[in-house]
Amino acid sequence: GENVEQHPSTLSVQEGDSAVIKCTYSDSASNYFPWYKQELGKRPQLIIDIRSNVGEKKDQRIAVTLNKTAKHFSLHITETQPEDSAVYFCAASGGAQKLVFGQGTRLTINP
Amino acid sequence: DTAVSQTPKYLVTQMGNDKSIKCEQNLGHDTMYWYKQDSKKFLKIMFSYNNKELIINETVPNRFSPKSPDKAHLNLHINSLELGDSAVYFCASSDGTGPRETQYFGPGTRLLVL
Repeated sequence: GENVEQHPSTLSVQEGDSAVIKCTYSDSASNYFPWYKQELGKRPQLIIDIRSNVGEKKDQRIAVTLNKTAKHFSLHITETQPEDSAVYFCAASGGAQKLVFGQGTRLTINP
Repeated sequence: DTAVSQTPKYLVTQMGNDKSIKCEQNLGHDTMYWYKQDSKKFLKIMFSYNNKELIINETVPNRFSPKSPDKAHLNLHINSLELGDSAVYFCASSDGTGPRETQYFGPGTRLLVL
């Protein structure tokens, strides 16, 4: 089945700097890759997603890139702000009818 | 309007008890899910239902039994609770028949087994 590895597990950046979180997946049939943000004590919420027919997608300060050949995808947050502090999860979905999540990255933005 | 709601938000109970968690979505979605998030924040799917039919049943102890009375509701009943069941349980829903659509999560139910 699908296996998703996410790195790093924790990330601390200065406010205004960029943050990058990387994920790899194992199932070449996976074709949908969402990213979720979970603030402390709250529910996971989708922030951006990408499908396998696209290599990059942007939404304001957030972008996701996908390399199907290498089976990895990354989340890029530019001009980080304190409210970006949260746990971020990548996920991959293929033929198994389910989303498999990465282990999560705790992002801390230092003022 | 609340899209995906769960009750209760908090559940503290003794080992060996039986408890239920309820989930409702008003998004008109066809598919609903239960996830378990452990103390290390790892999110793992437990069950998935599409139009009241079970489509995913992960390696979950049979003490856990989901029930979907209609496509807007998915409940989770847990028998003989154990310490290791302590976690946050999230319900989620999505449109369509599978996980390639956006999943919307409920607020979570924080279960503590003493």
